This record gives sequence, C-alpha cells and structure tokens, in this order.
Amino acid sequence: DAMVIQNPRYQVTQFGKPVTLSCSQTLNHNVMYWYQQKSSQAPKLLFHYYDKDFNNEADTPDNFQSRRPNTSFCFLDIRSPGLGDAAMYLCATSRDHYTQYFGPGTRLTVL
Amino acid sequence: TQLLEQSPQFLSIQEGENLTVYCNSSSVFSSLQWYRQEPGEGPVLLVTVVTGGEVKKLKRLTFQFGDARKDSSLHITAAQPGDTGLYLCAGARTGNNRKLIWGLGTSLAVNP
Repeated sequence: DAMVIQNPRYQVTQFGKPVTLSCSQTLNHNVMYWYQQKSSQAPKLLFHYYDKDFNNEADTPDNFQSRRPNTSFCFLDIRSPGLGDAAMYLCATSRDHYTQYFGPGTRLTVL
Repeated sequence: TQLLEQSPQFLSIQEGENLTVYCNSSSVFSSLQWYRQEPGEGPVLLVTVVTGGEVKKLKRLTFQFGDARKDSSLHITAAQPGDTGLYLCAGARTGNNRKLIWGLGTSLAVNP
C-alpha cells in the first residue's frame, strides 16, 4: 500500500543534542510537509518542499532545518532541542498542494 | 485569529447516539478536509469536499460542505466506541492551497 512512513516512531534526546527525524513516501507526491503538534492542539506547519523548492514558515525557529535529497525522502533536523521542542512531529505529502496525507508521526521527548 | 471555528471542542456521548461537529469560517475555501486522529498517531484523512453544497457519505459518517464553501459539518449516526478520537477540519483557501487552515479539533469520546 502507498503510504507515508516516519522513523523513528519515538525519539528521546537530551537537551541540546541534535536529532534527525525521517520521512519517506511511496505516493510519489511532489510536496512534502513537516508539522509540529503539541498536545490537544492542531498541527502547526514548520515548512514544506514543493519539488525541490524549500518554503519556510515565517515563525519557524532557525533551530529547525530540513533536507529533501530526493522525491521520496525528507528529513527534519533539530539542531539544539530545547524542552519546548518536545512534541509530535508529523510528515505529510500531497500532489500539488491538494489533499494532504499524514504519516504516523514521531513523538520527540527532550530530557 | 482563528479562521476556522470548530465546535464543539469536547463531546462525550453514549454508544448509539448521533452527533454533529461543525467547522465555520468567514473565509471561502477551495477545499476542506476532515481528519480523525487517535492518540499517538498521525491524522487520517476521512474525506475531502470541494464543491459548494456537496454531501459525502462514509458508512455512518456524513460530510457536508456549505453552499458558499465557508463551512462544513460532520454527522455521525449511531456512534460506536471505535469512533472515539480527535476530529480535525482543515481548509485550503482559494489561491493559497499550500497552507491548510486548521480547526482546533473536536475530541470525541463514545462510551459503551
């Protein structure tokens, strides 16, 4: 089945220790998104790739970076995680910004 | 400013009851999606509506898009415990499909 896959599902890191979350998709969608979701809140868009073009949201901290080496893969790098970065990180994909399909998420814990 | 007002925020009902969740806005949307999210999981797409006045049915779930494409509703008939979860609506505004506008979600608990 075509799908959006996120690894790992659970990530524990230490305050200030860089962490990378990964997302892959078999839908062959040209747009990939990264969202942050905190408890009982709606997802918050961090940035997205339209093909190879990177689009950052104005309020996304510089601490968050992303890479998309090819159509299928996208990475979220958190350079120096703080306690406030503990959240669920969601990857989503779409064809030309139409309906978005989400992965299962990565739960990040910062100690 | 919350552009997409979703109500109610919380709902606890007994198995077999019916319920309706609303998403309302003063903005026009080119499409609107409904998602269901379980704890610790990503949102799962239920439906996308794109045409004003459109009604879509998914088993016991009925989705409606308002004639003016500013509002939408989700109606669940004979709710079951398996319907428990967070229901999220998200709209794409005309000319700016990149960023979905999210409702705050409706947390539904269906008690056996």
